[in-house]
Amino acid sequence: EPEVTQTPSHQVTQMGQEVILRCVPISNHLYFYWYRQILGQKVEFLVSFYNNEISEKSEIFDDQFSVERPDGSNFTLKIRSTKLEDSAMYFCASSPTDTLNTEAFFGQGTRLTVV
Amino acid sequence: AQKITQTQPGMFVQEKEAVTLDCTYDTSDPSYGLFWYKQPSSGEMIFLIYQGSYDQQNATEGRYSLNFQKARKSANLVISASQLGDSAMYFCAMRELIQGAQKLVFGQGTRLTINP
Repeated sequence: EPEVTQTPSHQVTQMGQEVILRCVPISNHLYFYWYRQILGQKVEFLVSFYNNEISEKSEIFDDQFSVERPDGSNFTLKIRSTKLEDSAMYFCASSPTDTLNTEAFFGQGTRLTVV
Repeated sequence: AQKITQTQPGMFVQEKEAVTLDCTYDTSDPSYGLFWYKQPSSGEMIFLIYQGSYDQQNATEGRYSLNFQKARKSANLVISASQLGDSAMYFCAMRELIQGAQKLVFGQGTRLTINP
């Protein structure tokens, strides 16, 4: 069964460093997302991406964040200068369409720890 | 205002019993979709069941069913004959057409523990 793959599963970084979280969405999907989950809290939407551009972003997704689909298979989230409060589980998700009844297929997550 | 409210932070249930996890939602959009996801301790998000706002019947998927009460804006998840492997966090989520139908808005989650 096709799945969304995220690497690495766990990343530890120093405050102020740049990190890139990588995702390989399901191959025939067109919509891509990043969500984050601070430990013990709810899952929060960060950004959606379609047709090589951001279609929606939340207020969390400030200038420190960027997304890219560099080669038609990978989908990356970059955090330019990490802060302690960026520590969270980051989920990539993809969908074949944007209809209401379409589930989002989630990756297993990358746990980011900023020290 | 919270779009999705899950009022039960934790639930403890005996194995083989049925359990209902509550979810209420807030929207003025007549077109929306409601989802339940399971998050085991390993962390991944697993899709369980979907209910559309225009669906006439309650959704069912195996041991999972959704008690959809549109007028009350509730979409409770019912797990029949609970198993030890059902122990996990459960999240209710919503997509709204008015918001472009792309992002999912999640509730706070309910941690379900099944006791042997």
